[in-house]
This record gives sequence, C-alpha cells and structure tokens, in this order.
Amino acid sequence: AQKITQTQPGMFVQEKEAVTLDCTYDTSDPSYGLFWYKQPSSGEMIFLIYQGSYDQQNATEGRYSLNFQKARKSANLVISASQLGDSAMYFCAMRESTGTYKYIFGTGTRLKVLA
Amino acid sequence: ETGVTQTPRHLVMGMTNKKSLKCEQHLGHNAMYWYKQSAKKPLELMFVYNFKEQTENNSVPSRFSPECPNSSHLFLHLHTLQPEDSALYLCASSQAAGSYQPQHFGDGTRLSIL
Repeated sequence: AQKITQTQPGMFVQEKEAVTLDCTYDTSDPSYGLFWYKQPSSGEMIFLIYQGSYDQQNATEGRYSLNFQKARKSANLVISASQLGDSAMYFCAMRESTGTYKYIFGTGTRLKVLA
Repeated sequence: ETGVTQTPRHLVMGMTNKKSLKCEQHLGHNAMYWYKQSAKKPLELMFVYNFKEQTENNSVPSRFSPECPNSSHLFLHLHTLQPEDSALYLCASSQAAGSYQPQHFGDGTRLSIL
C-alpha cells in the first residue's frame, strides 16, 4: 500500500498568489515525522519544512507552512506569495519510528508559477 | 565547501564498464543514504549507512555495491549495469538515521547506460 500519496501531478499558480500542495499519508505508528522537499530542474532536493506527529502547532518556515490535519492524515504544503523561483517538483516524505531508517517519498507535484 | 557534494554530475557508461559514484558531506552528519530517482516513480531508497555501518539494503541488485569508509564519504560502485539502471542517483545525509532530522541532498549524478 502506498504510504505517501500526492494526488496532484501538476499545478499552476499565478505569481504572488498562494498555492496548496496536497499530501496524505498512511501509518499506524503514533510517532512519525513529515517533510517537504523542493527539487528544481537542477536536481538537488532542498529541505523546506518539517512537522512532527506530536507537534501541537502547524509548522511554518518563511513563506512555507504545513497544514497538518492528523485525524485526516494529511500534511498539505502551503506556499504564500508565490515567486517564479518556486517552479519545481515538490515531494512529501515521511519517516516512521518503527526501527527502520527509511524515509518514504511521494511521487511529487510539479508546480509552475506563472508571471 | 559546505553541504553534500556528488561527483560526477553526469556519467555515461557501457554495460560492461566499472565506475564509481562519490558522495561527500561537510555537515558533520552520521548517516548517509543512496537513492535512485527514475522518471515518474517515487524516490527509491537503496542503501543507508549509520555511523559507517550499513543498516538498510533495499533489495538492491548486487551490481550496485556501496562503500562507506567514514561518516563523511559514501561511494556507489557500479558494474555490469543494465539500461533500466539509467536514472538520477542522489546521495543524502542526516544527523543520525534513527532521528527525525531532515536529510540534506546532493545535486545527484545523472547516469546513462548505453
């Protein structure tokens, strides 16, 4: 069963507007971490934001925020005031605490910011 | 230098060649990872090293052979590869494999098998 699901293969957003990238996950582990990464066309994966399963508040990092809804098992990334440089692939990932060292990645969402 | 550095950035090789990919991290991390990224597929974890000990081998064919001489360096030795092995190979590091620390990635090596 797929543990990380990103249902939006591609998204468009107008420059300076906000956009939400969806991520749902599946785990029975009460302790886990959720991550978002950005991958520009150059290939490097850039860490954006982290949310722990026990964190009471939604994570924020500059223009990035994570809309964490634990009961629904969703961890959507919100990018505010989009910029042209935000055009990239975005990956959601999860790390469980079950003793393995695996970070599980979704298939990604390609975001295109329009001028 | 800072971050995670991978060399070479691009590699073209025949199926009978032997080559190695190199990864070096300058972040003081203790865990290092190899991933394979193919088009339209999720990132596939290949190997994990935690404090120089291999802790994960995700059913990777033996034509891929990892080596981790110390916590800062990671190699992926390649021999007798197949066309389906053409992909972007990403190296990553983190504080420790068992923590929730984010991984830091290199720029990747784009491998093409002729």
